[in-house]
Amino acid sequence: QSVLTQPPSVSAAPGQKVAISCSGSSSNIGKYYVSWYQQLPGTAPKLLIYGNNIRPSGIPDRFSGSKSGTSATLAITGLQTGDEADYYCGTWDSSLNGGVFGGGTKLTVL
Amino acid sequence: QVQLQESGPGLVKPSQTLSLTCTVSGDSISSAGYYWNWIRQHPGKGLEWIGHIYYSGSTYYNPSLKSRITISIDTSKNKFSLKLSSVTAADTAVYYCARDLGNYDTTGYPKWGQGTLVTVSS
Repeated sequence: QSVLTQPPSVSAAPGQKVAISCSGSSSNIGKYYVSWYQQLPGTAPKLLIYGNNIRPSGIPDRFSGSKSGTSATLAITGLQTGDEADYYCGTWDSSLNGGVFGGGTKLTVL
Repeated sequence: QVQLQESGPGLVKPSQTLSLTCTVSGDSISSAGYYWNWIRQHPGKGLEWIGHIYYSGSTYYNPSLKSRITISIDTSKNKFSLKLSSVTAADTAVYYCARDLGNYDTTGYPKWGQGTLVTVSS
């Protein structure tokens, strides 16, 4: 059971937009920045967003993040087949004094 | 550009101790403000933070694993290590080492090793 809650799967057509939610609590998302990761099969997670809405160098602006209260959202526009992957949210938790992640969301581009 | 590489046995027997090392290149493991992390992923499952260490030796561990974990650091060799004792099949996972954002920001991990699969089996 993950500390942060994500939908198990989302899907959308190429070119469309999708949003992935991440729900937490006052001890994690409500208090700290949120990061998002993309994981392709057989590879390590790749940081897409940090600081709630900051893209590292090289990440396309099709990827964006937002946070409100104890929830965060990753939005992906102009979907491409190459975006098919698992997406994870993560942050720090002051009650656990440790890092926490969501259970992951599998994105299918139909 | 910092790079991380995990190494260690791919097969560990039940009740024994899992030992992994992460070798850091391209930057000093003693750089101020960075925490060095271990994260694992059970087969087909999500990510689980195991713990982290600062170059001073200060550690934080996942409460659910705390009684079995030791994370240590060797600044002279630019490496840090994980020991997980009394392993069971439930510890079978891909183990990643990772560096956080720096500036004491522990909310994200931009640098990861490639991961190493550890199987617990007799």
